[in-house]
Amino acid sequence: AQSVTQLGSHVSVSEGALVLLRCNYSSSVPPYLFWYVQYPNQGLQLLLKYTTGATLVKGINGFEAEFKKSETSFHLTKPSAHMSDAAEYFCAVSLSGGYNKLIFGAGTRLAVHP
Amino acid sequence: GAVVSQHPSWVICKSGTSVKIECRSLDFQATTMFWYRQFPKQSLMLMATSNEGSKATYEQGVEKDKFLINHASLTLSTLTVTSAHPEDSSFYICSAREGLVSYEQYFGPGTRLTVT
Repeated sequence: AQSVTQLGSHVSVSEGALVLLRCNYSSSVPPYLFWYVQYPNQGLQLLLKYTTGATLVKGINGFEAEFKKSETSFHLTKPSAHMSDAAEYFCAVSLSGGYNKLIFGAGTRLAVHP
Repeated sequence: GAVVSQHPSWVICKSGTSVKIECRSLDFQATTMFWYRQFPKQSLMLMATSNEGSKATYEQGVEKDKFLINHASLTLSTLTVTSAHPEDSSFYICSAREGLVSYEQYFGPGTRLTVT
């Protein structure tokens, strides 16, 4: 069975600081991995995805993530936090082929303070 | 492109009544649509998967007679909460996927349901 673990339900950073949101997955087959962002009372917006190929993927708003098979991780980073990055972030996994359902992590709430 | 809308964005209903939530793909044909439920400060829980023209597949623990899902066209899926109770109050989010082999889901903005 697949699962996703997001370490840290809350992360707080200063504006301009590095953002690191952790995601580890469990999958018996090569996974497709996703990061989504959710602003209050809104749906989810795709930040980036890994399917195959290059393990470092770049997404919108300056975010990137690296797929590390040996560590079963897909951590999300951004070099310099902006106030507008404050939101809930979800890591998700689906079986390769991708037409299977998404399994979401519990989410990490990112706070950015001046 | 790839816009998914939901209607209504919020709804308040009385206990015992039914409420219908619509999910529409505006600029693509959605072969598959998904319905999620999200409790405050929690993650999304998949309720069911529906393919156009077929019966929905419900996740374990989801009452199919209470949460009726219809996917009658390639652009519209509906979720009807029947005989709603306060514990059904939640944020309901749909997503849509284009094609059977596409992996990307496009999410709607969500519907806030409050049952009084």
